[in-house]
Order: sequence, then C-alpha cells, then structure tokens
Amino acid sequence: EDQVTQSPEALRLQEGESSSLNCSYTVSGLRGLFWYRQDPGKGPEFLFTLYSAGEEKEKERLKATLTKKESFLHITAPKPEDSATYLCAVPLQVREKLVFGKGTKLTVNP
Amino acid sequence: NAGVTQTPKFQVLKTGQSMTLQCAQDMNHEYMSWYRQDPGMGLRLIHYSVGAGITDQGEVPNGYNVSRSTTEDFPLRLLSAAPSQTSVYFCASSYSTGYQETQYFGPGTRLLVL
Repeated sequence: EDQVTQSPEALRLQEGESSSLNCSYTVSGLRGLFWYRQDPGKGPEFLFTLYSAGEEKEKERLKATLTKKESFLHITAPKPEDSATYLCAVPLQVREKLVFGKGTKLTVNP
Repeated sequence: NAGVTQTPKFQVLKTGQSMTLQCAQDMNHEYMSWYRQDPGMGLRLIHYSVGAGITDQGEVPNGYNVSRSTTEDFPLRLLSAAPSQTSVYFCASSYSTGYQETQYFGPGTRLLVL
C-alpha cells in the first residue's frame, strides 16, 4: 500500500541546534514530493517541491533533499520562530491526489 | 491578491443538518482541492477539481459533494452532517509551470457536528 511516513513525530531542539526531519514514501513512480509548514490554527504553507533523486532546495535555514525512497528536511541553526509542524506529501496516481504524512512537530527553545 | 479564502471560520451543526463550506481563490489556478485534518490522521483528500466543470473523488469522499462552476469557486457540501464529520476542513488551489508546482491552502473551517 502506498504510504508516507514522517519521523520523528515530535522533535525538541535548542536554538542553534541543527537537525533533520525524515519523510519516507513507498509510492511507485514518484511524481514529486512536497514539504509544508503548518502553524497552530492555520493552513499549511508551501515550502518546497522536489521531483528527482539528488535534487536539493533551500529557503533560509531549511534545506530539502530527495532520494529514491525518502526526503530530508534539514534545519540549520534553528530559531524559535521555526517552531511548527512540518508536513510532507506525495501525489498518488495523478498529481492532484496528494497523500500526506502525519507530520513532525518541531519545537525550538530559546 | 487575497489568495485562498474560506468561509465560515467556525460552524456548529446538529446531526442531519446540511451546509456548504465556501472556498474561493483569486489566482486563476486550475486545480483546487478539499482536505480534512483530524488529530492523528493527517490531511486527507476529500474531492478535487482540475478545472471548471471537472471534479473527482479523493480518499474520503463519502458524505460530501462538490461542484466547480467557475475557476474561482469550489464549494463543499455536507448533505447530512454526522459527528464523524467533525474536523478542520482546508481548501487548496495550485498551479504548475510544467516543472514547479506550488499549492496554496486557505485558513480552514472548523466544523463541530453534535
């Protein structure tokens, strides 16, 4: 069964302590992988789309990478404002049918 | 641009009542979708549309209807509300340049069915 798994479920970091979030997937014929940030009480905010193994994209302190079976969201020297839930998603069968992982809740303490 | 807007922000219904959740976007995006988000379940696709007049089912379509008469609007109708439909509902729109796809979500509608 196609699925998307994110780990860890929750991650607590000190400000400046770099780390990585993982998104593994089992869909066949990957048509892209999406990363989002979601703040409490708000809709997800688009971060990145990755399409092929080896691709990398960066935005401020975030860098997303993609392999054939998983994606990593690397957070370098995080700040408290990076605290949020990070979601990843992949399309099934057609690009419009996204399946989401359950997310990683990141807390960055000052 | 207002982006993706949703109304209402919060709604309480009684079992069996019907209602329509409104979604509108002003970015001329072809693709629009409805998701529900429940604790421990993540976001799940209800229905989606690839353009005006074209809709299709997602992962959890039962109990919901959609239509897309214009590019801008994509309402979600609950035919007979059930407590299991208590959730947060998000509408999204997206566009593709052929290489890069970007998706925008609305702020959500919190629905409580008693």
